[in-house]
Amino acid sequence: GAGVSQSPSNKVTEKGKDVELRCDPISGHTALYWYRQSLGQGLEFLIYFQGNSAPDKSGLPSDRFSAERTGGSVSTLTIQRTQQEDSAVYLCASRERETQYFGPGTRLLVL
Amino acid sequence: AQTVTQSQPEMSVQEAETVTLSCTYDTSENNYYLFWYKQPPSRQMILVIRQEAYKQQNATENRFSVNFQKAAKSFSLKISDSQLGDTAMYFCAFVPNFGNEKLTFGTGTRLTIIP
Repeated sequence: GAGVSQSPSNKVTEKGKDVELRCDPISGHTALYWYRQSLGQGLEFLIYFQGNSAPDKSGLPSDRFSAERTGGSVSTLTIQRTQQEDSAVYLCASRERETQYFGPGTRLLVL
Repeated sequence: AQTVTQSQPEMSVQEAETVTLSCTYDTSENNYYLFWYKQPPSRQMILVIRQEAYKQQNATENRFSVNFQKAAKSFSLKISDSQLGDTAMYFCAFVPNFGNEKLTFGTGTRLTIIP
């Protein structure tokens, strides 16, 4: 079946602009995660959605970051007023039982 | 809090040889899952193998096997008959309890298979 998909694959933006990153999880997976992968910080957890429960936002680095999940499926990660330190690969994963399956990521470059 | 340590930033091995990647972790949990993920230059994070902490038998998936030492909190990955397509970053990861929490990752090992 289809895996986790993410769009766009790459995004270049100017400092101060807002960006939206999209994740389509594997059909039927109720849990969805966002992670950030950057050179200096490795792989960091950002946010976790599980069904209709309140999301775990404990990993969001600042209030410029937000995410939503509509209809229990597609998720959008929004970064407002982007900064150069936001440049990274943003990975989305959906989970079946204990295993998370990752999408191909979105590479964000903030100039 | 859990931590995962990969002490080998880079490794290289000749094609067809066997290589072992190290991972240690620290946790106070008794039940958890451990994973090895592979990330080739394409950036896609691919599951290689998983281990349940309450299972004493080491997991195997074709050429990939683990040496899980629960008391020592060690979880190494052995790749047998290495192939050029095994060239990638390898990440060790941990999730506590029933797996319904975030993954904690190690810093990764960059593995190069030399033809």
